[in-house]
Amino acid sequence: EAGVTQFPSHSVIEKGQTVTLRCDPISGHDNLYWYRRVMGKEIKFLLHFVKESKQDESGMPNNRFLAERTGGTYSTLKVQPAELEDSGVYFCASSQDTLMGQGFGYTFGSGTRLTVV
Amino acid sequence: TQLLEQSPQFLSIQEGENLTVYCNSSSVFSSLQWYRQEPGEGPVLLVTVVTGGEVKKLKRLTFQFGDARKDSSLHITAAQPGDTGLYLCAGANPGYSTLTFGKGTMLLVSP
Repeated sequence: EAGVTQFPSHSVIEKGQTVTLRCDPISGHDNLYWYRRVMGKEIKFLLHFVKESKQDESGMPNNRFLAERTGGTYSTLKVQPAELEDSGVYFCASSQDTLMGQGFGYTFGSGTRLTVV
Repeated sequence: TQLLEQSPQFLSIQEGENLTVYCNSSSVFSSLQWYRQEPGEGPVLLVTVVTGGEVKKLKRLTFQFGDARKDSSLHITAAQPGDTGLYLCAGANPGYSTLTFGKGTMLLVSP
């Protein structure tokens, strides 16, 4: 099966511009997550979709970040306007269920490296 | 805020040596996962441990979950150059399906 696909793989934008990241989860996975790794820090949770609904968006840094998941399929994460501190690697992940069971785990995409200059 | 402290941050060893990576927290997790990440790729799940005291083996890798479900360790026996990569531990937050990650351990195994 196809994995989690993210694009672009890299994006360099100027401060104040807008960038939209896209994630295509594994087909049939209702759960989609966005995480971010800022340089020198750990990977941190941003938000969680169940189908098209936002289940948990407690990790979103501020209202410059807007995530959507149209029809419960792919998701976009828009940053507008971008600031220097938004630079980092943005990971998308999907999972079939949310049970904390033996086999639970995410499938991650390769990430989008965002650089704001 | 739950935190996971991972140690060491960096480890450089020779092929054939053994090593252990630690993941510690003051918080209880419903499960703990270990991922391996290579440059330019996303983390890839290695194992999930759920029960306190649980030990799982994956070839030369042994994973252990602490009795109180607050800490975990990864032991690699006879490391090989192919084991090189960033190893991440991640705790599942009770009642949620979100993960708290450690900063990772960068392992370099030289031939």
